[in-house]
Amino acid sequence: QKEVEQNSGPLSVPEGAIASLNCTYSDRGSQSFFWYRQYSGKSPELIMFIYSNGDKEDGRFTAQLNKASQYVSLLIRDSQPSDSATYLCAVKRGSTLGRLYFGRGTQLTVWP
Amino acid sequence: DTGVSQNPRHKITKRGQNVTFRCDPISEHNRLYWYRQTLGQGPEFLTYFQNEAQLEKSRLLSDRFSAERPKGSFSTLEIQRTEQGDSAMYLCAAIVVGGETQYFGPGTRLLVL
Repeated sequence: QKEVEQNSGPLSVPEGAIASLNCTYSDRGSQSFFWYRQYSGKSPELIMFIYSNGDKEDGRFTAQLNKASQYVSLLIRDSQPSDSATYLCAVKRGSTLGRLYFGRGTQLTVWP
Repeated sequence: DTGVSQNPRHKITKRGQNVTFRCDPISEHNRLYWYRQTLGQGPEFLTYFQNEAQLEKSRLLSDRFSAERPKGSFSTLEIQRTEQGDSAMYLCAAIVVGGETQYFGPGTRLLVL
């Protein structure tokens, strides 16, 4: 079982819709959870992070964490074509020195 | 701008040659990470520095790979006797003192022919 699993997609939504991206992780001791956006040929760009169970909102983005289910998600409201990218879920385990474990990423396409 | 720069941005080399990449964080970045990313995959951890000390290395970092961070400032990643399987994007990430989030540089894309 991989440390971090994501549906690779592709996920396709119309402009203005809500895009829902999901991620599960295997280590119950994981402490911190991050979402990165990566445009083709570019490096990952941090969108947001979450540490506590529940929801965290930042503009059009909402991260949701459920530690009991070992599940973290990212919702993108009012999706725009510029949101088309690969979204990477990353997890920091409690026992490590800060290294991140990444999923394979979910490719999102927002069509006008 | 994350404050993390990497050079070169692209490198094409022939199999068997040595290559060296450089990462320059800002002075507030005391923790520095190297990752490797191949097409269709997420970044994979290679190694970690806190200031000048290399504290963790992945088993992905074979004996052909070496990384340094002299004086706790810039870092270099060298690959000796490159193989075609080394073709990837090499990413450097850094964390500021007291922070938790890793910010990535633009990466170095390596192609081994």
